[in-house]
Amino acid sequence: GAGVSQSPSNKVTEKGKDVELRCDPISGHTALYWYRQSLGQGLEFLIYFQGNSAPDKSGLPSDRFSAERTGGSVSTLTIQRTQQEDSAVYLCASSLPGGPVEQFFGPGTRLTVL
Amino acid sequence: GQNIDQPTEMTATEGAIVQINCTYQTSGFNGLFWYQQHAGEAPTFLSYNVLDGLEEKGRFSSFLSRSKGYSYLLLKELQMKDSASYLCAVDSSASKIIFGSGTRLSIRP
Repeated sequence: GAGVSQSPSNKVTEKGKDVELRCDPISGHTALYWYRQSLGQGLEFLIYFQGNSAPDKSGLPSDRFSAERTGGSVSTLTIQRTQQEDSAVYLCASSLPGGPVEQFFGPGTRLTVL
Repeated sequence: GQNIDQPTEMTATEGAIVQINCTYQTSGFNGLFWYQQHAGEAPTFLSYNVLDGLEEKGRFSSFLSRSKGYSYLLLKELQMKDSASYLCAVDSSASKIIFGSGTRLSIRP
């Protein structure tokens, strides 16, 4: 079956603009994660959705970042008033509930803020 | 605080064995992951350790000592395609998986 998909694959935007990044998880995966990866760095946890539970937003770096998940499937990560330091690869991962929770990653969206 | 340490870079020779270490200090611990990430690609799952000891999966093995906050990934019979970054990650709670910065492994002929 299809894996995790993300769109767009690349996004170039000007400082101050808003951007929306989309993630389509694997069908049946109720858990969904967003991570950020700067060049040569590890993954920085941003937000976690599990089913209908309230999301864990503890990793969001500022109130310019928000995410939603509609219908327990597709998720959108929104960054408002983008800054140059927001430039990174944004990775989405999904997994089945319970454990061990192997995560399946999407190809990522490379965001460049000029 | 939460901290995961692993070497930044390592180099090894094709056909040889390499061990990538990871130490962690986290507020909770459910298990430890190893992921492989080739340049420009998404991470892919290698292993998940919950109990102490060594788990072998083909050329790759992963070891965990919970009392020492220590894990290693052992790669045998290295191949050029093993050149990648290897990420150690701790499942610290029901929702949060904390990743290390990764170890960039280069394989030379």
